Amino acid sequence: KQEVTQIPAALSVPEGENLVLNCSFTDSAIYNLQWFRQDPGKGLTSLLLIQSSQREQTSGRLNASLDKSSGRSTLYIAASQPGDSATYLCAAAGQNFVFGPGTRLSVLP
Amino acid sequence: GAVVSQHPSRVICKSGTSVKIECRSLDFQATTMFWYRQFPKQSLMLMATSNEGSKATYEQGVEKDKFLINHASLTLSTLTVTSAHPEDSSFYICSANPLAGMTDTQYFGPGTRLTVL
Repeated sequence: KQEVTQIPAALSVPEGENLVLNCSFTDSAIYNLQWFRQDPGKGLTSLLLIQSSQREQTSGRLNASLDKSSGRSTLYIAASQPGDSATYLCAAAGQNFVFGPGTRLSVLP
Repeated sequence: GAVVSQHPSRVICKSGTSVKIECRSLDFQATTMFWYRQFPKQSLMLMATSNEGSKATYEQGVEKDKFLINHASLTLSTLTVTSAHPEDSSFYICSANPLAGMTDTQYFGPGTRLTVL
């Protein structure tokens, strides 16, 4: 059974810092790994999708990497801004779609 | 922990038929539920936000007359795919947001895989 964990559970940083969010999964038999942003009371917003055959994806200030063999993915946010404050979830898509518990990020002005 | 169920887990139907998918919060009440779908090799995308007792809010590009959402109680939201066509074949997931004031955490159902022949 796939299990997805995320570290840290919460993170508070000053504006401008680069930061890394971590996602781990137990079953490497995945089709893809996805990162989402969740704002309070809102649905998820898709950020990046990494297919199982890919190593990384980039979108603007976001870069996500995938290492299937070690069961890890990282989301790198460059030059963080207060508007980046949200909860970030990763999800492993295989036979089932399993979400991590999320990392709650606060970027302080 | 909070549990969200979906029924059915898989459904195969003929083109032109309607399919209803249920999303239930089993041990908590949810004023807001979300419906997502994922096409093969694409990201999970938000379709609509379902609010108990009021009309759903649909994302741009999602046809409200095709994807009927009913959130009749605090524990049940249904998504009906009307006159389904092969291009509607997808993986549909719901999530539930517990009552306001408790937490912003969303709890996800296991998903429903729809195949339209």
